[in-house]
Amino acid sequence: DQQVKQNSPSLSVQEGRISILNCDYTNSMFDYFLWYKKYPAEGPTFLISISSIKDKNEDGRFTVFLNKSAKHLSLHIVPSQPGDSAVYFCAASEGTDKLIFGTGTRLQVFP
Amino acid sequence: GAGVSQTPSNKVTEKGKYVELRCDPISGHTALYWYRQSLGQGPEFLIYFQGTGAADDSGLPNDRFFAVRPEGSVSTLKIQRTERGDSAVYLCASSSNGGLGETQYFGPGTRLLVL
Repeated sequence: DQQVKQNSPSLSVQEGRISILNCDYTNSMFDYFLWYKKYPAEGPTFLISISSIKDKNEDGRFTVFLNKSAKHLSLHIVPSQPGDSAVYFCAASEGTDKLIFGTGTRLQVFP
Repeated sequence: GAGVSQTPSNKVTEKGKYVELRCDPISGHTALYWYRQSLGQGPEFLIYFQGTGAADDSGLPNDRFFAVRPEGSVSTLKIQRTERGDSAVYLCASSSNGGLGETQYFGPGTRLLVL
């Protein structure tokens, strides 16, 4: 039973355009959400997070939106850069340290 | 300072053998986590330590898996009687104090292949 779902295994975006990565979850008890980025042969790196009491959090080129009623969150990257090419994981927590990850979306930003 | 380090980076073993995977967290971090990432999947939680004690081991798949952190720093994940299905990348992470909102910093992982 996959509690955190990333239904798009891959996404290709032109440099300078917006990248939108989506994530859906089924557990209504999740109260904290995170995005991690992973390059090949490296561990995941924390990108941005959002608490369930908010619907938006912004950090530079990265913005995460949370729609609790739809159990959906998205990560927007504007403008996209070639260095953003990586696998992006959505993760969620139910008030604990235990993170539940999605299966990831591979983003490719081309010139 | 140095990040989370894991050794070995790669481990090949035969079915039925015993393996140990080591994690060195960021200095001073009290919380340490083990995750497992199978091919095409996201990281899957295994166990979380706060100091020397396992605060949550609900993700360990069965009693062949065991982890220790005797001095509250380095941790070892031990797998007995390995099976081919144990093949995965084993990720370790640490955070400053643990708790919601604390960033978990991941190491590069140990790639385990069971033949």
